[in-house]
Amino acid sequence: EPEVTQTPSHQVTQMGQEVILRCVPISNHLYFYWYRQILGQKVEFLVSFYNNEISEKSEIFDDQFSVERPDGSNFTLKIRSTKLEDSAMYFCASSEGLVDENIQYFGAGTRLSVL
Amino acid sequence: GDSVTQMEGPVTLSEEAFLTINCTYTATGYPSLFWYVQYPGEGLQLLLKATKADDKGSNKGFEATYRKETTSFHLEKGSVQVSDSAVYFCALSLTSGTYKYIFGTGTRLKVLA
Repeated sequence: EPEVTQTPSHQVTQMGQEVILRCVPISNHLYFYWYRQILGQKVEFLVSFYNNEISEKSEIFDDQFSVERPDGSNFTLKIRSTKLEDSAMYFCASSEGLVDENIQYFGAGTRLSVL
Repeated sequence: GDSVTQMEGPVTLSEEAFLTINCTYTATGYPSLFWYVQYPGEGLQLLLKATKADDKGSNKGFEATYRKETTSFHLEKGSVQVSDSAVYFCALSLTSGTYKYIFGTGTRLKVLA
């Protein structure tokens, strides 16, 4: 069964450093998403991406964040200068984009620890 | 704004016990509703869904009914197994204007043999 793959599973970084989280969505999907979950809190939407551009972003997704689909398979989330409060589990998801269904398929997540 | 509220966990049950995990939502329009499950070390997997009022989603013995009048989508299972131990997430997706999901906090279920 096709699946969304995320790497690395755990990333440790120093405050102020740049990190890139990587995702390989399901190959025929058109919509891509990033969510995050700070420990003990809700899973929060960060950004959605369609047709090589951001289609929606939350207020969390400020200038420190960017997303890219550098080739036909990868979808990346970059945090330019990490802060302690960026420590969280980051989930990538993809969907076919059907309005009636909108089933999103999620990766296992990347745990980001900012020290 | 749109939101999902789930019961706090963890929930600990004995094998073969009845499970209910409460989920209520606030949304403009007519959302689709989902339950996702996360087993240790894995991603969120779709467990079941319902796209309109009174729909019942079901899978692997789990059920949830979309109740518009009470804005609820409670997850139930008649007889849990140790293998059901996981974190369960309730989520909604609005059907116009955005494709993003809005999640609850997740409820950890632990089933004891």
